Amino acid sequence: GQNIDQPTEMTATEGAIVQINCTYQTSGFNGLFWYQQHAGEAPTFLSYNVLDGLEEKGRFSSFLSRSKGYSYLLLKELQMKDSASYLCAVRDQAGANNLFFGTGTRLTVIP
Amino acid sequence: KAGVTQTPRYLIKTRGQQVTLSCSPISGHRSVSWYQQTPGQGLQFLFEYFSETQRNKGNFPGRFSGRQFSNSRSEMNVSTLELGDSALYLCASSNRGRGASEQFFGPGTRLTVL
Repeated sequence: GQNIDQPTEMTATEGAIVQINCTYQTSGFNGLFWYQQHAGEAPTFLSYNVLDGLEEKGRFSSFLSRSKGYSYLLLKELQMKDSASYLCAVRDQAGANNLFFGTGTRLTVIP
Repeated sequence: KAGVTQTPRYLIKTRGQQVTLSCSPISGHRSVSWYQQTPGQGLQFLFEYFSETQRNKGNFPGRFSGRQFSNSRSEMNVSTLELGDSALYLCASSNRGRGASEQFFGPGTRLTVL
């Protein structure tokens, strides 16, 4: 089966940096996605990694190590609006678009 | 460009009933995937459609079914509803048949089974 693990909850201070880790064990690998989901809303796309390394997009960066089955999402200069759930998802095969999601990390940003 | 739309947004049914949910992907997108989201299980993949064909199916019972029309709109149906089917049902569309680097989610349909 597919197994994707991420911490359940994290708390960080406004203006700080937070790293959300994700480890995965899947039968195949064809890309890792990070989504942000505010309570009561749909997930919104943050990043996509298919090759090892760091992808930077403004205040958000995502890192992937395929050999370690590991990714992290880095959020810099935290803002109160960053309080949300962050979902790590893996696509296990090249021929389709279905994703396997972790249960999400609920991030709370405090003043 | 309009986003992914889902109807209805909220639905209340009783056990044993059946329900049909609708998803309209972004214009030009031909891949539609359906997910069930519950607090305990997170997002779980139900099925994916591309060009009116079901390409993948998750580990859900046969009570869950779906279809896609020629205009890429998709419907999912749940028959003989159970209390455990209460969840947020999300659909996502992408513009590639495989290996899409981004999928766009709709706002979801909140189904409550009493």
